[in-house]
Amino acid sequence: DAMVIQNPRYQVTQFGKPVTLSCSQTLNHNVMYWYQQKSSQAPKLLFHYYDKDFNNEADTPDNFQSRRPNTSFCFLDIRSPGLGDAAMYLCATSREGPKGEKLFFGSGTQLSVL
Amino acid sequence: LAKTTQPISMDSYEGQEVNITCSHNNIATNDYITWYQQFPSQGPRFIIQGYKTKVTNEVASLFIPADRKSSTLSLPRVSLSDTAVYYCLVGEGSNTGKLIFGQGTTLQVKP
Repeated sequence: DAMVIQNPRYQVTQFGKPVTLSCSQTLNHNVMYWYQQKSSQAPKLLFHYYDKDFNNEADTPDNFQSRRPNTSFCFLDIRSPGLGDAAMYLCATSREGPKGEKLFFGSGTQLSVL
Repeated sequence: LAKTTQPISMDSYEGQEVNITCSHNNIATNDYITWYQQFPSQGPRFIIQGYKTKVTNEVASLFIPADRKSSTLSLPRVSLSDTAVYYCLVGEGSNTGKLIFGQGTTLQVKP
């Protein structure tokens, strides 16, 4: 059974049209992450939540926002997608986090921007 | 920047043992070392995790020297389906669980 679920699997949006990607987990993990992965590159950390505390990476564009309304759900909002935002977006969880514990990944959402 | 350094690519042949080494000179005392495998268009998949010495599971072994400044993932008798990108991750020394991927190692297994 899937433990980290991302929806949708594929998302097509228009240039400048806001889009929301969702992630849910059944693991009751404390930490949730959003990574962006472009073709032939490593996943790039956008931000992560340690419980309710939001941690933004310094180089994450303001265009990217996130919400975590409860332990199970986390959303990635792209306010005005540009062509350069086309990528795979990966959600991951870990039980506690500070020691570099095991990450559990969803299947990812492949975002296309037209 | 990630705290890990790996070779960018490696080639092997079916049936051979493959060893991929990762450097993490600044690993924190309490941090785990974790390896992931990623196929195209899929999320990374956990392979193995260790803290010190040697860990073995059904798919791989992980060797960690006493100083913990490096680790080696060993894949026994690789097959074509082991062609993938392999990442090692260690904690970033934060209290919040921040985890950053390095460039990874692209393993190409040839027939």
